[in-house]
Amino acid sequence: AQSVAQPEDQVNVAEGNPLTVKCTYSVSGNPYLFWYVQYPNRGLQFLLKYITGDNLVKGSYGFEAEFNKSQTSFHLKKPSALVSDSALYFCAVRDQNAGNMLTFGGGTRLMVKP
Amino acid sequence: EPEVTQTPSHQVTQMGQEVILRCVPISNHLYFYWYRQILGQKVEFLVSFYNNEISEKSEIFDDQFSVERPDGSNFTLKIRSTKLEDSAMYFCASSDRRTGVNEKLFFGSGTQLSVL
Repeated sequence: AQSVAQPEDQVNVAEGNPLTVKCTYSVSGNPYLFWYVQYPNRGLQFLLKYITGDNLVKGSYGFEAEFNKSQTSFHLKKPSALVSDSALYFCAVRDQNAGNMLTFGGGTRLMVKP
Repeated sequence: EPEVTQTPSHQVTQMGQEVILRCVPISNHLYFYWYRQILGQKVEFLVSFYNNEISEKSEIFDDQFSVERPDGSNFTLKIRSTKLEDSAMYFCASSDRRTGVNEKLFFGSGTQLSVL
């Protein structure tokens, strides 16, 4: 079975400060990891993915995430937050050997204040 | 950027009624999915569809659920006899390759289903 945990329901950060949204996962095999963002009244939008290779992956809108196999984590980061980054962020995992089903975390609401 | 479109955005129905949720995936995509999110809970996988057949389904996707690609553009989710616990936001998604094989899902904005 595969699972994802996002331990924070909400993260508050001031504009211009760095942000981190946490994600840990559990899979029996090797993971494919994803971050999606959801703005109000919109569907989930792809931000970035880790499949293999460099542990630091860069994605849309200046976001990046670091794959840490020993800690089974895939935290989302951005060096300098913008008010427009305020949204709901979902981490997702798929076991390489377990079909094509994505398992999502519960989501973390990011609030960036001016 | 191309989008997945879903209709209607909101659907209200009585318990026991049949509902059909409609989706138009991105035109050159080959894999189609339905996910749902009950209010305050996680986004949950329901079903994936490829080459005119279900390729994978979750425990949630029981006999009350069915999917169909009736023509070259639409992808539908039917719930035969709705229950109160079916109330959720239903997301359609598509991709041009199998999830995780260096590809990403494109999601629609969802249909909010309310069963009364």
